Amino acid sequence: QLQLQESGPGLVKPSETLSLSCTVSGGSISSSSSYWVWIRQPPGKGLEWIGTIHSGGSTSYNPSLTSRVTVSVDTSKNQFSLKLNSVTAADTAVYYCARHVDQQWLAPFDNWGQGTLVPVSS
Amino acid sequence: DIVMTQSPDSLAVSLGERASINCKSSHSILYSSNNRNYLGWYQQKPGQPPKLLIYWASTRESGVPDRFSGSGSGTDFTLTISSLQAEDVAIYYCQQYYNAPFTFGPGTKVDIK
Repeated sequence: QLQLQESGPGLVKPSETLSLSCTVSGGSISSSSSYWVWIRQPPGKGLEWIGTIHSGGSTSYNPSLTSRVTVSVDTSKNQFSLKLNSVTAADTAVYYCARHVDQQWLAPFDNWGQGTLVPVSS
Repeated sequence: DIVMTQSPDSLAVSLGERASINCKSSHSILYSSNNRNYLGWYQQKPGQPPKLLIYWASTRESGVPDRFSGSGSGTDFTLTISSLQAEDVAIYYCQQYYNAPFTFGPGTKVDIK
């Protein structure tokens, strides 16, 4: 059974770069033509799509974040990663990784990780 | 961007009674070429990630109890819980995947009366 797990530093300072990884277990990130996604949720608020990467490396980002975000894939580690630079307190959120259903671009998300809370504070 | 709205913000229903949540999109999310509505419903319990319940507006995900059903087309959709159980207390979100940026509704909190 496919499982995803986020990891990264527990605290980021304002103006610095938030870096997270999502490790995929129970399957190869590159063995199928899959789409992998990052979503975030500020405490007590709703869900925001950050961006998606195809196992082949192509990416799509939320226009509200595109100037600050990079998503990449590392097939040797069976991971994909998120970098968000120049963070502010508004970037404080639980960050989730997940997968697009049925290896489709226009699809909902399943196999969500448990999420990791990243506070932005000095 | 397609804006998703939900109503009500919250509702409290007696155990065994019906709960209905509405979701509206600012643009039709029905693809005429395949007659599919690109709409999903998620359930999120405290401290947990969202769980996909329904996709294509009315298709239940494997393992989801049949008391959950989805309906609607175009811009107006409904999630119905036919007989509310204690374990259904959660926040429910709709999401459009018709085009990027993929967007979610603000959520509806369901509680026991």
